[in-house]
Amino acid sequence: SQQGEEDPQALSIQEGENATMNCSYKTSINNLQWYRQNSGRGLVHLILIRSNEREKHSGRLRVTLDTSKKSSSLLITASRAADTASYFCATDEYSGGGADGLTFGKGTHLIIQP
Amino acid sequence: NAGVTQTPKFQVLKTGQSMTLQCAQDMNHEYMSWYRQDPGMGLRLIHYSVGAGITDQGEVPNGYNVSRSTTEDFPLRLLSAAPSQTSVYFCASTLSPGTPGGYTFGSGTRLTVV
Repeated sequence: SQQGEEDPQALSIQEGENATMNCSYKTSINNLQWYRQNSGRGLVHLILIRSNEREKHSGRLRVTLDTSKKSSSLLITASRAADTASYFCATDEYSGGGADGLTFGKGTHLIIQP
Repeated sequence: NAGVTQTPKFQVLKTGQSMTLQCAQDMNHEYMSWYRQDPGMGLRLIHYSVGAGITDQGEVPNGYNVSRSTTEDFPLRLLSAAPSQTSVYFCASTLSPGTPGGYTFGSGTRLTVV
């Protein structure tokens, strides 16, 4: 079953504006990750935030995590045309010392208008 | 080039045929996994492996088999292809759960079953 649910499903903004995407999940997690997928391509890892962290930054990306609300947000500042892609959150629930793989949401399709 | 290599990139099968999707990584990653991506469904975990000789089922394992005889390779076998298996398949690997770099994904295999 889908763990994460991204919101909104689609987002169109002007180049230079900030883009915010949200993700909600259902169960306890060890970490939450964000990935980008350009049309017809594989997924590229953007950032990982652990369950004991509240905020992380990487370049123009800012991720927050609220475990009490089981939600995360991804902020892309000063958007560029090259940021046009689908963005997925994925939760890692590994337990018992093993890896159970990632559980993905359905994604947010971001379009940056020139 | 270091990364995850998937072959073939495209494949058309007839219902009932069998085939193997290849996945190889050269990063000495212990953890490998297979996902399928369907329109509007995000990615769903098929099978995963935590090391050579160890595999386990994910969310949607029916109709697929895997084996992990070496650290580098993790092939996915379709036993008797069905139209419902038409999808894009991604292989992914990581050194260990929670690694800051997340999972590395291959570029995918687009499979059509007619």
